[in-house]
Amino acid sequence: DAEITQSPRHKITETGRQVTLACHQTWNHNNMFWYRQDLGHGLRLIHYSYGVQDTNKGEVSDGYSVSRSNTEDLPLTLESAASSQTSVYFCASRSRAHQETQYFGPGTRLLVL
Amino acid sequence: SQQGEEDPQALSIQEGENATMNCSYKTSINNLQWYRQNSGRGLVHLILIRSNEREKHSGRLRVTLDTSKKSSSLLITASRAADTASYFCATSTDKLIFGTGTRLQVFP
Repeated sequence: DAEITQSPRHKITETGRQVTLACHQTWNHNNMFWYRQDLGHGLRLIHYSYGVQDTNKGEVSDGYSVSRSNTEDLPLTLESAASSQTSVYFCASRSRAHQETQYFGPGTRLLVL
Repeated sequence: SQQGEEDPQALSIQEGENATMNCSYKTSINNLQWYRQNSGRGLVHLILIRSNEREKHSGRLRVTLDTSKKSSSLLITASRAADTASYFCATSTDKLIFGTGTRLQVFP
């Protein structure tokens, strides 16, 4: 069955370190998204991609970057982790048509000490 | 900034009762979607209603959309303990923008 996976599921890191969170989907979806979820804020969009070599900034993109070298993967990199980036991160994908729903991964819980 | 705002923030009911959650949004949309999130899990899509639709049903779920008031409601009928979760509305233009969610607790 098609799915979307994230790794690691839990990560503890130190302030200033570079961290990469992986997202892999097997639906062959063109569109992929990264969100962070914090209490009181719901889900906020970090970066998104509409296809290979396409990346776009979302609402809260500062301190994050993504790259899209193939259809299946959209890794999220924290260039220099900050305590404010402690959060739960969700990856999602959907097909090209904008009317379609998004499929979410299980999330990565990141703690920055 | 959040597009959708859910009301109430939290709701506690007994099994068998109906649960109603409301969502208000700010700008024009293509469609509005509702998602459920169980504790510690990712979001799961429940139902999508397009901007030219007023009501939609799916099993025990009933969604309404009033584009003139920029609001939507999600009704879960005959609730079960397994319905305990957070529920989010999300408005769609080219991207999904999520509200802050309603935490539903259904007591057996």
